Amino acid sequence: DVKVTQSSRYLVKRTGEKVFLECVQDMDHENMFWYRQDPGLGLRLIYFSYDVKMKEKGDIPEGYSVSREKKERFSLILESASTNQTSMYLCASGEGTGELFFGEGSRLTVL
Amino acid sequence: ILNVEQSPQSLHVQEGDSTNFTCSFPSSNFYALHWYRWETAKSPEALFVMTLNGDEKKKGRISATLNTKEGYSYLYIKGSQPEDSATYLCASKISSGSARQLTFGSGTQLTVLP
Repeated sequence: DVKVTQSSRYLVKRTGEKVFLECVQDMDHENMFWYRQDPGLGLRLIYFSYDVKMKEKGDIPEGYSVSREKKERFSLILESASTNQTSMYLCASGEGTGELFFGEGSRLTVL
Repeated sequence: ILNVEQSPQSLHVQEGDSTNFTCSFPSSNFYALHWYRWETAKSPEALFVMTLNGDEKKKGRISATLNTKEGYSYLYIKGSQPEDSATYLCASKISSGSARQLTFGSGTQLTVLP
């Protein structure tokens, strides 16, 4: 069974804290993605990586950074969490332009 | 950023009813259209990836059609069951972009009442 695993399902953090969201895939996919999902909005792309150490900004990268040191792992970093970053974060992986495989999501609340 | 619209935003149907919803997308530079099902507390799962105008795909009681010239896709569910309750997402990809250029609609939330 193919799998994308996100490290935390639920997190509660305080404003100004540094937050790490980790994602691991076991399908040897080149591409990995971080999206956020907010009510009434579609999934919005934060960052995308197409290879180890390679990254590309998505539509809403402000306030986020990413790290991809190994092919299977893609981390999303919030350097200084703010309340407007309270959201559901979804990691996905895929090959070429085929279907994406998603993790179960990480629901982050910033107080 | 592409504008991908889904309608309706939500709907409730009775068990056994058939239903359909719409995804509209810009038709210029079209490359592919994805449909995903997202059940509560689970991961979104791909239903279909469609690329050709006139494509029709089917998986069990769920089917989808694609019109790339006018920029829309329909998803049909025949004889809805409570386990079909989920949010259905579509996403469109343009040909000139990298793999990142997959733009999602805001989804249709389907509730099937027993």
